[in-house]
Amino acid sequence: NAGVTQTPKFQVLKTGQSMTLQCAQDMNHEYMSWYRQDPGMGLRLIHYSVGAGITDQGEVPNGYNVSRSTTEDFPLRLLSAAPSQTSVYFCASSYSSNLQKQETQYFGPGTRLLVL
Amino acid sequence: QQQVKQSPQSLIVQKGGISIINCAYENTAFDYFPWYQQFPGKGPALLIAIRPDVSEKKEGRFTISFNKSAKQFSLHIMDSQPGDSATYFCAASRGWKSNYQLIWGAGTKLIIKP
Repeated sequence: NAGVTQTPKFQVLKTGQSMTLQCAQDMNHEYMSWYRQDPGMGLRLIHYSVGAGITDQGEVPNGYNVSRSTTEDFPLRLLSAAPSQTSVYFCASSYSSNLQKQETQYFGPGTRLLVL
Repeated sequence: QQQVKQSPQSLIVQKGGISIINCAYENTAFDYFPWYQQFPGKGPALLIAIRPDVSEKKEGRFTISFNKSAKQFSLHIMDSQPGDSATYFCAASRGWKSNYQLIWGAGTKLIIKP
């Protein structure tokens, strides 16, 4: 298993540009989420999904969109990049059939984004 | 009420010593408390987790101590090794009430000196 994969590893954007961060997992996990990690602030949840076709907002959703058309993929879209979105983005997944219990989250290697 | 406060921000420990990282929370609805370990350039990985029905959980050199009345929990790393040098995050969850979302501490950068 490749686990959770993320592309690209690093990206530079200009203010106002849009882009999609890709996330895929091959563990048949139902639960997927996107976090941003900023120095001194830990990880903050952007959006999450409890299964294909179902998404919900986390703590800091503004400026980001997600969709979940398949179990494997959970892309994160930046609609109009801003310097405040400069961060490291992590995708995570966990097995949670019908959300019956807390499961370990498995993280991808991250995407480092710089917005100029 | 949603915050998890982690301290210290950074920690330097001699090889063979004990590393201690502390976390405090306010929301008594939290019922799951994991610790994640993150190496540079990698994503976090689960190290150990505890539920409030026990006061301590040990896995190898890593121990979580949990004090429900004080609303605090801590990670102890015994016989700390240079390979333990990493950033450690505590977190907490309200379980199904919040769709198992994790609330994270700010992280502790641990350096083990040889």
